[in-house]
Amino acid sequence: GAVVSQHPSRVICKSGTSVKIECRSLDFQATTMFWYRQFPKKSLMLMATSNEGSKATYEQGVEKDKFLINHASLTLSTLTVTSAHPEDSSFYICSAGLAGGPQETQYFGPGTRLLVL
Amino acid sequence: SQQGEEDPQALSIQEGENATMNCSYKTSINNLQWYRQNSGRGLVHLILIRSNEREKHSGRLRVTLDTSKKSSSLLITASRAADTASYFCATDYSGYALNFGKGTSLLVTP
Repeated sequence: GAVVSQHPSRVICKSGTSVKIECRSLDFQATTMFWYRQFPKKSLMLMATSNEGSKATYEQGVEKDKFLINHASLTLSTLTVTSAHPEDSSFYICSAGLAGGPQETQYFGPGTRLLVL
Repeated sequence: SQQGEEDPQALSIQEGENATMNCSYKTSINNLQWYRQNSGRGLVHLILIRSNEREKHSGRLRVTLDTSKKSSSLLITASRAADTASYFCATDYSGYALNFGKGTSLLVTP
């Protein structure tokens, strides 16, 4: 149980376009989801915390107008990279916390690799 | 934030040998977790150790935590080629977001 999926797993887009990445908790409800970004051979950096039904909380230095997050249901959060540029190319990983579960338990998605040409 | 630091950054060993990687952090924590990441893939949770625990085992994994030194170690015994991956420690950040270390890249050669 506790599976998190991400779609798409890989996307290539042209500079200036917007890309939407979905994060779904398949068999559990997640009141909180997290979005991380990972550069090659680097660590994961928390971008934002997404709570169902409310605005996301962004980490310092992350542009909220650039990275739009919507958490419309207890099983789905989306990250939209607007007007993508090559520097937005990265590996984006989401994680979900089990609603009512231990606070330290997070389940990670498989990641989405974005390449902006 | 309290970015953890793992060392070594890269480790190369032969199958059957033990692999030890360390993690240091800066502020007090509630728990510390270790994750594995295969190249280009998502994270797999390995083990969680709470701040009041000193050692924990799971299969071939042994994790220690020294809160006085703000450090943890992950030992993989009798390593296998399949253990080749990057290993990250993570500490609780805000709410239950995680603060990840820079990772140790482990290569196990047959």
